Amino acid sequence: DADVTQTPRNRITKTGKRIMLECSQTKGHDRMYWYRQDPGLGLQLIYYSFDVKDINKGEISDGYSVSRQAQAKFSLSLESAIPNQTALYFCATSDSQGLAYSYNEQFFGPGTRLTVL
Amino acid sequence: GNSVTQMEGPVTLSEEAFLTINCTYTATGYPSLFWYVQYPGEGLQLLLKATKADDKGSNKGFEATYRKETTSFHLEKGSVQVSDSAVYFCALGYSGAGSYQLTFGKGTKLSVIP
Repeated sequence: DADVTQTPRNRITKTGKRIMLECSQTKGHDRMYWYRQDPGLGLQLIYYSFDVKDINKGEISDGYSVSRQAQAKFSLSLESAIPNQTALYFCATSDSQGLAYSYNEQFFGPGTRLTVL
Repeated sequence: GNSVTQMEGPVTLSEEAFLTINCTYTATGYPSLFWYVQYPGEGLQLLLKATKADDKGSNKGFEATYRKETTSFHLEKGSVQVSDSAVYFCALGYSGAGSYQLTFGKGTKLSVIP
Protein backbone atom coordinates (compact mmCIF):
# COMPACT_ATOMS: atom_id res chain seq x y z
CA ASP A 1 0.00 0.00 0.00
CA ALA A 2 1.13 3.55 -0.75
CA ASP A 3 2.46 5.55 2.19
CA VAL A 4 0.91 8.83 1.02
CA THR A 5 -2.48 8.65 -0.66
CA GLN A 6 -4.55 11.36 -2.27
CA THR A 7 -8.22 11.38 -3.18
CA PRO A 8 -9.59 11.93 -5.69
CA ARG A 9 -6.93 11.29 -8.33
CA ASN A 10 -8.83 13.26 -10.95
CA ARG A 11 -11.59 15.83 -10.59
CA ILE A 12 -13.43 18.03 -13.04
CA THR A 13 -15.57 20.77 -11.58
CA LYS A 14 -17.19 24.06 -12.49
CA THR A 15 -16.35 27.61 -11.58
CA GLY A 16 -17.71 28.59 -8.18
CA LYS A 17 -17.95 25.08 -6.76
CA ARG A 18 -16.37 24.11 -3.45
CA ILE A 19 -13.81 21.34 -3.76
CA MET A 20 -11.93 19.34 -1.14
CA LEU A 21 -8.81 17.33 -1.85
CA GLU A 22 -7.76 14.83 0.77
CA CYS A 23 -4.42 13.44 1.80
CA SER A 24 -3.66 10.57 4.17
CA GLN A 25 -0.33 9.12 5.23
CA THR A 26 0.79 6.01 7.05
CA LYS A 27 4.40 7.08 7.48
CA GLY A 28 3.88 8.48 10.97
CA HIS A 29 5.34 11.82 9.91
CA ASP A 30 4.37 14.98 11.74
CA ARG A 31 4.80 17.44 8.88
CA MET A 32 2.51 17.69 5.88
CA TYR A 33 2.45 19.96 2.83
CA TRP A 34 0.28 20.89 -0.13
CA TYR A 35 1.88 21.89 -3.42
CA ARG A 36 0.56 22.96 -6.76
CA GLN A 37 2.31 22.04 -10.02
CA ASP A 38 1.78 23.98 -13.22
CA PRO A 39 3.60 23.16 -16.47
CA GLY A 40 6.96 24.89 -16.60
CA LEU A 41 6.66 26.35 -13.11
CA GLY A 42 7.88 23.60 -10.87
CA LEU A 43 6.11 23.14 -7.54
CA GLN A 44 4.72 25.97 -5.47
CA LEU A 45 3.89 25.58 -1.79
CA ILE A 46 0.29 26.33 -0.84
CA TYR A 47 0.14 25.44 2.87
CA TYR A 48 2.15 23.42 5.34
CA SER A 49 1.51 22.00 8.78
CA PHE A 50 4.08 20.95 11.34
CA ASP A 51 1.53 19.31 13.60
CA VAL A 52 -2.23 19.26 14.14
CA LYS A 53 -2.23 22.70 15.78
CA ASP A 54 0.34 24.37 13.55
CA ILE A 55 -0.75 25.46 10.07
CA ASN A 56 1.12 27.96 7.94
CA LYS A 57 0.58 29.70 4.63
CA GLY A 58 2.93 29.01 1.79
CA GLU A 59 3.77 31.20 -1.17
CA ILE A 60 0.42 30.88 -2.97
CA SER A 61 -2.27 30.40 -0.30
CA ASP A 62 -4.87 32.86 -1.65
CA GLY A 63 -8.05 31.05 -2.68
CA TYR A 64 -7.19 27.95 -0.66
CA SER A 65 -7.75 26.72 2.88
CA VAL A 66 -6.60 23.63 4.75
CA SER A 67 -7.58 21.45 7.66
CA ARG A 68 -5.35 19.08 9.64
CA GLN A 69 -7.91 16.68 11.04
CA ALA A 70 -5.34 14.34 12.56
CA GLN A 71 -1.62 13.75 12.33
CA ALA A 72 -2.25 11.48 9.36
CA LYS A 73 -4.78 13.61 7.47
CA PHE A 74 -4.42 16.97 5.76
CA SER A 75 -7.09 18.29 3.41
CA LEU A 76 -7.02 21.18 0.96
CA SER A 77 -10.15 23.13 0.07
CA LEU A 78 -10.97 25.48 -2.75
CA GLU A 79 -13.91 27.48 -1.42
CA SER A 80 -14.97 28.79 -4.81
CA ALA A 81 -12.99 27.21 -7.61
CA ILE A 82 -11.82 29.30 -10.57
CA PRO A 83 -10.29 28.16 -13.88
CA ASN A 84 -6.76 29.32 -13.05
CA GLN A 85 -6.75 26.81 -10.18
CA THR A 86 -6.62 24.07 -12.80
CA ALA A 87 -3.41 22.24 -11.93
CA LEU A 88 -1.85 19.11 -10.49
CA TYR A 89 -1.91 19.12 -6.68
CA PHE A 90 0.52 17.16 -4.54
CA CYS A 91 0.53 16.33 -0.87
CA ALA A 92 3.84 15.59 0.82
CA THR A 93 5.06 14.56 4.27
CA SER A 94 8.29 14.78 6.20
CA ASP A 95 9.62 13.79 9.59
CA SER A 96 10.95 16.42 11.98
CA GLN A 97 13.23 13.88 13.62
CA GLY A 98 16.56 13.37 11.93
CA LEU A 99 20.08 14.55 11.47
CA ALA A 100 20.73 17.92 12.98
CA TYR A 101 22.09 19.60 9.89
CA SER A 102 20.23 17.91 7.10
CA TYR A 103 16.86 18.86 5.77
CA ASN A 104 14.48 15.97 5.97
CA GLU A 105 13.30 14.41 2.76
CA GLN A 106 9.73 14.98 1.70
CA PHE A 107 7.62 12.07 0.49
CA PHE A 108 5.03 12.81 -2.15
CA GLY A 109 1.63 11.40 -2.93
CA PRO A 110 0.61 10.49 -6.50
CA GLY A 111 -1.17 13.79 -7.11
CA THR A 112 -4.68 14.99 -7.90
CA ARG A 113 -5.37 16.43 -11.32
CA LEU A 114 -7.98 19.17 -10.92
CA THR A 115 -9.74 20.83 -13.84
CA VAL A 116 -11.97 23.84 -13.25
CA LEU A 117 -14.25 24.66 -16.18
CA GLY B 1 15.60 34.68 -0.75
CA ASN B 2 16.31 31.13 -1.79
CA SER B 3 16.02 30.15 -5.44
CA VAL B 4 16.93 27.33 -7.78
CA THR B 5 17.69 27.62 -11.48
CA GLN B 6 17.93 24.53 -13.64
CA MET B 7 18.48 24.10 -17.33
CA GLU B 8 15.37 24.29 -19.43
CA GLY B 9 14.23 21.32 -21.39
CA PRO B 10 13.12 19.33 -22.99
CA VAL B 11 16.26 17.27 -23.33
CA THR B 12 16.26 14.39 -25.82
CA LEU B 13 19.06 11.84 -25.76
CA SER B 14 19.76 8.52 -27.38
CA GLU B 15 20.06 5.47 -25.19
CA GLU B 16 23.53 5.11 -23.60
CA ALA B 17 24.32 8.81 -24.03
CA PHE B 18 25.83 10.89 -21.22
CA LEU B 19 23.43 13.11 -19.30
CA THR B 20 24.05 16.41 -17.55
CA ILE B 21 21.28 18.58 -16.15
CA ASN B 22 22.61 21.82 -14.70
CA CYS B 23 21.33 23.24 -11.43
CA THR B 24 22.51 26.34 -9.60
CA TYR B 25 21.12 27.85 -6.46
CA THR B 26 20.98 31.01 -4.39
CA ALA B 27 20.64 30.65 -0.66
CA THR B 28 21.66 32.09 2.64
CA GLY B 29 23.21 29.79 5.16
CA TYR B 30 23.84 26.11 4.50
CA PRO B 31 21.09 24.45 2.50
CA SER B 32 20.65 20.81 1.64
CA LEU B 33 20.25 19.98 -2.04
CA PHE B 34 18.06 17.39 -3.71
CA TRP B 35 17.19 15.92 -7.05
CA TYR B 36 13.65 14.60 -7.39
CA VAL B 37 12.32 12.62 -10.34
CA GLN B 38 8.74 12.49 -11.61
CA TYR B 39 7.83 9.61 -13.89
CA PRO B 40 4.77 10.05 -16.13
CA GLY B 41 1.56 10.01 -14.13
CA GLU B 42 3.30 9.73 -10.79
CA GLY B 43 4.32 11.90 -7.86
CA LEU B 44 7.83 13.06 -7.13
CA GLN B 45 10.39 10.64 -5.77
CA LEU B 46 13.68 11.54 -4.18
CA LEU B 47 16.51 10.54 -6.50
CA LEU B 48 19.48 11.72 -4.44
CA LYS B 49 20.52 14.33 -1.92
CA ALA B 50 23.56 16.06 -0.42
CA THR B 51 23.49 17.84 2.89
CA LYS B 52 26.80 19.70 2.97
CA ALA B 53 29.48 21.08 0.70
CA ASP B 54 31.51 18.52 -1.30
CA ASP B 55 29.02 15.74 -0.54
CA LYS B 56 28.20 13.53 -3.51
CA GLY B 57 24.73 12.07 -3.74
CA SER B 58 24.25 8.99 -5.90
CA ASN B 59 21.47 6.58 -6.80
CA LYS B 60 20.54 4.38 -9.78
CA GLY B 61 23.66 5.49 -11.67
CA PHE B 62 22.89 9.19 -11.18
CA GLU B 63 25.32 11.45 -9.33
CA ALA B 64 25.46 15.06 -8.18
CA THR B 65 28.10 16.89 -6.15
CA TYR B 66 27.33 19.81 -3.85
CA ARG B 67 29.68 22.59 -5.00
CA LYS B 68 29.52 25.52 -2.64
CA GLU B 69 32.13 27.54 -4.53
CA THR B 70 30.04 27.50 -7.71
CA THR B 71 26.65 27.13 -5.93
CA SER B 72 25.84 24.19 -8.16
CA PHE B 73 24.42 20.69 -7.93
CA HIS B 74 24.52 19.31 -11.48
CA LEU B 75 22.93 15.92 -12.16
CA GLU B 76 24.93 13.43 -14.24
CA LYS B 77 24.54 9.91 -15.54
CA GLY B 78 27.04 8.13 -17.69
CA SER B 79 24.65 6.04 -19.77
CA VAL B 80 20.96 6.81 -19.85
CA GLN B 81 18.22 4.27 -20.52
CA VAL B 82 14.75 4.65 -21.97
CA SER B 83 13.39 4.06 -18.47
CA ASP B 84 15.10 7.27 -17.31
CA SER B 85 12.61 9.33 -19.31
CA ALA B 86 10.99 11.60 -16.73
CA VAL B 87 10.95 15.14 -15.37
CA TYR B 88 13.83 15.99 -13.03
CA PHE B 89 13.57 18.66 -10.36
CA CYS B 90 16.42 20.25 -8.46
CA ALA B 91 15.42 21.45 -4.99
CA LEU B 92 16.93 23.33 -2.09
CA GLY B 93 16.04 22.81 1.54
CA TYR B 94 17.00 25.10 4.36
CA SER B 95 16.76 24.00 7.93
CA GLY B 96 17.50 27.31 9.56
CA ALA B 97 15.17 28.81 12.12
CA GLY B 98 11.87 29.92 10.61
CA SER B 99 12.34 28.36 7.20
CA TYR B 100 11.44 24.78 6.53
CA GLN B 101 10.29 24.61 2.94
CA LEU B 102 11.76 23.05 -0.14
CA THR B 103 12.32 25.43 -3.04
CA PHE B 104 12.07 23.69 -6.43
CA GLY B 105 13.45 24.47 -9.84
CA LYS B 106 11.04 24.46 -12.76
CA GLY B 107 11.92 20.94 -13.83
CA THR B 108 13.71 19.48 -16.86
CA LYS B 109 11.96 16.94 -19.01
CA LEU B 110 14.22 14.17 -20.27
CA SER B 111 13.25 11.89 -23.13
CA VAL B 112 15.52 8.96 -23.97
CA ILE B 113 15.00 7.34 -27.36
CA PRO B 114 16.12 3.81 -28.29
